Amino acid sequence: KAGVTQTPRYLIKTRGQQVTLSCSPISGHRSVSWYQQTPGQGLQFLFEYFSETQRNKGNFPGRFSGRQFSNSRSEMNVSTLELGDSALYLCASSLGVAGGRNEQFFGPGTRLTVL
Amino acid sequence: QKEVEQDPGPLSVPEGAIVSLNCTYSNSAFQYFMWYRQYSRKGPELLMYTYSSGNKEDGRFTAQVDKSSKYISLFIRDSQPSDSATYLCAMMGAGKSTFGDGTTLTVKP
Repeated sequence: KAGVTQTPRYLIKTRGQQVTLSCSPISGHRSVSWYQQTPGQGLQFLFEYFSETQRNKGNFPGRFSGRQFSNSRSEMNVSTLELGDSALYLCASSLGVAGGRNEQFFGPGTRLTVL
Repeated sequence: QKEVEQDPGPLSVPEGAIVSLNCTYSNSAFQYFMWYRQYSRKGPELLMYTYSSGNKEDGRFTAQVDKSSKYISLFIRDSQPSDSATYLCAMMGAGKSTFGDGTTLTVKP
């Protein structure tokens, strides 16, 4: 069974630009969660989507948004990029909602660098 | 105060040593507990998953949960250089997942 895939793997943008990251979950998984990982802040929860609906949201500004499609694939968008947005963005999928008894499986991440 | 506190490390041990990695938590709603291993420039990989107090063993790895003390541990026996990675504890409950900041382990040959 194929794992979680994320594209692109690496991305370089400049301040003020916007970026869209993509995540394809494991086949059959309906929940997709997004996380930001930085050396200083660790792994921080952005949001979770289940059946095309946002279920939970972390403490990030409105510049961070996402959506999920009917095939469970998900996209994350960051507008008006700031230097502090440089991070590894991880996507995780699970069968059901992540807050319940469902293990999360992570993709390899997209490393975003903002110059 | 963070809901999940993880021993910060870094930790450096000789090959063959027993390693103990620890996390404490404050939210009683957490019911499911996981350990992830993350190699440099890779996504976290699920190692262990448990939901009850007690021990769960998988090969050289043992996960221990003490809900009364809100404390979880991961033990690695006969550690190998290939175990060198960052280990993250994670907890689920009340509709959310919360991760520790990670402990970086280096096992020296």
